[in-house]
Amino acid sequence: NAGVTQTPKFQVLKTGQSMTLQCAQDMNHNSMYWYRQDPGMGLRLIYYSASEGTTDKGEVPNGYNVSRLNKREFSLRLESAAPSQTSVYFCASTPPGRDEQFFGPGTRLTVL
Amino acid sequence: EDQVTQSPEALRLQEGESSSLNCSYTVSGLRGLFWYRQDPGKGPEFLFTLYSAGEEKEKERLKATLTKKESFLHITAPKPEDSATYLCAVQAHGSRLTFGEGTQLTVNP
Repeated sequence: NAGVTQTPKFQVLKTGQSMTLQCAQDMNHNSMYWYRQDPGMGLRLIYYSASEGTTDKGEVPNGYNVSRLNKREFSLRLESAAPSQTSVYFCASTPPGRDEQFFGPGTRLTVL
Repeated sequence: EDQVTQSPEALRLQEGESSSLNCSYTVSGLRGLFWYRQDPGKGPEFLFTLYSAGEEKEKERLKATLTKKESFLHITAPKPEDSATYLCAVQAHGSRLTFGEGTQLTVNP
């Protein structure tokens, strides 16, 4: 049981490049989330998926897209990266019938 | 709009010196209040969920309490391995988590 896994761990992009952050969980959780964490801002929700086949915007969705590929996987895509998207990105999931979220190790993204 | 304010921003303790971290919140209809621990370079690790005023939860040297306006994370006789950033988050009914900015705790040996 690996919990929540994220790839890559680190990434450097140039402005305008695109990339996809991958997230997977093997705990049979229904809900999955993408957050970004910036100094002085706390964790902010980008998108979430309450169940397979559904996605909804969070607090800061602009510049991002998501795909809930199946129950296990929830990916975050940056179509045209901007320096303002330099951040640490965390994926999380919630067990059925529970409220607490379990987080992955994060992806540290720098956009030059 | 839900709001979470954590204080202090940073706290330095000597090993064995007990203290408390504060999480003040404003939320329209609290579903739950959550405490997480985050080590440098890692994702947040779930500690506690509190649902109603008066509720308390304990885990090793940590004890979380909840009132209608705030939550405290009490750390009894801390050890250096308790050094981390502690995050508080609230969830209103039908809404998503709102996180505070955290308290960075350092416990010196």
